[in-house]
Amino acid sequence: EAQVTQNPRYLITVTGKKLTVTCSQNMNHEYMSWYRQDPGLGLRQIYYSMNVEVTDKGDVPEGYKVSRKEKRNFPLILESPSPNQTSLYFCASTGALHTDTQYFGPGTRLTVL
Amino acid sequence: KQEVTQIPAALSVPEGENLVLNCSFTDSAIYNLQWFRQDPGKGLTSLLLIQSSQREQTSGRLNASLDKSSGRSTLYIAASQPGDSATYLCAVSLRSGAGSYQLTFGKGTKLSVIP
Repeated sequence: EAQVTQNPRYLITVTGKKLTVTCSQNMNHEYMSWYRQDPGLGLRQIYYSMNVEVTDKGDVPEGYKVSRKEKRNFPLILESPSPNQTSLYFCASTGALHTDTQYFGPGTRLTVL
Repeated sequence: KQEVTQIPAALSVPEGENLVLNCSFTDSAIYNLQWFRQDPGKGLTSLLLIQSSQREQTSGRLNASLDKSSGRSTLYIAASQPGDSATYLCAVSLRSGAGSYQLTFGKGTKLSVIP
């Protein structure tokens, strides 16, 4: 089954404790992206990747890091999480830029205390 | 900067009614526009994608139109069912430079179909 998976699905952590949210897709897609969704603000793009070792900032990259060492994986790293990073996070991928649909993961609900 | 607006923010209709959801965007230099559905606590599911050169796309009871020059798109749902209850999001892919992969989302319309 074609899918995007994220882990963990739920995470409660404390300020400053480094964490990684993993994202993996099994569709051999080149393009992957991370979003956060907040009430009243909607979905906002954090980072995206056009291919292995190619990443770029989205609209709200501050406080986040990403890496793309393998085509299928695109982890999101929070080096020193803060309460304002409490949010619902989505990973997405697409096979053809601008002509193919986006496939979204199920989401990771992060709470930073 | 591209801005995407969806009106109304919430909509409640009786089962069987036809309805229209609206999406507007400020920059017409787009590659495509997509409509998504989001169920509570779930990820987004793609419904329809309209390329900038197209005027509409249809899938089952759904029909999406695009008027790029006026910066508007509509999602028409025919014969609504309670299972259509969800939040509907539109997103545009902006021509912001060669090889850019950036999507801008509206805040969504929460649809409730009453049995």
